[in-house]
Amino acid sequence: NAGVMQNPRHLVRRRGQEARLRCSPMKGHSHVYWYRQLPEEGLKFMVYLQKENIIDESGMPKERFSAEFPKEGPSILRIQQVVRGDSAAYFCASSSQSTGAPEKLFFGSGTQLSVL
Amino acid sequence: EDKVVQSPLSLVVHEGDTVTLNCSYEVTNFRSLLWYKQEKKAPTFLFMLTSSGIEKKSGRLSSILDKKELFSILNITATQTGDSAIYLCAVPNNAGNMLTFGGGTRLMVKP
Repeated sequence: NAGVMQNPRHLVRRRGQEARLRCSPMKGHSHVYWYRQLPEEGLKFMVYLQKENIIDESGMPKERFSAEFPKEGPSILRIQQVVRGDSAAYFCASSSQSTGAPEKLFFGSGTQLSVL
Repeated sequence: EDKVVQSPLSLVVHEGDTVTLNCSYEVTNFRSLLWYKQEKKAPTFLFMLTSSGIEKKSGRLSSILDKKELFSILNITATQTGDSAIYLCAVPNNAGNMLTFGGGTRLMVKP
């Protein structure tokens, strides 16, 4: 049973380009969460999605960032017109239930985004 | 807004030493507190604590929660180089589906 799969592992973009980060949840999981980890900091919640629905995007920057989790395929975190401050590790996590079991949240290995 | 603070920020010890990592928290509605180990990849779950005074133990790692004083500690005895990692503490929100993390403690264990 494969874990949470994220790709690419490393992504390099120049300022102004777009970054697309992908996350395939564990088999049987329909809840996906994106977190961002800046250097020397803990993980910060960005967005919580279920299939075709954004449930909570309270941690998403208001501009340039968007997320989706289509009926088919992986969840995508998209960052348009990247800036140097977007350089961070982006982690995806998935679970099979929406509430009450945070210990059943499984994290992917992350995508390290570097903006030149 | 929920808040989690970890200390120390970083720690360097030698193999065989015992370490204590601290986590204090402020939450609107406490449900649980979780500890994770993060090496150069995904954070992996260590413990979930819900009750004060009950120690959770896994090998050389143990953790305890104090709900009155709003903190938790993670102890690692007889440290090994493989314990080198960032240790993260987190609390879930009221719905139990979003975690607020502390800044982590970076532990380095030297041979």
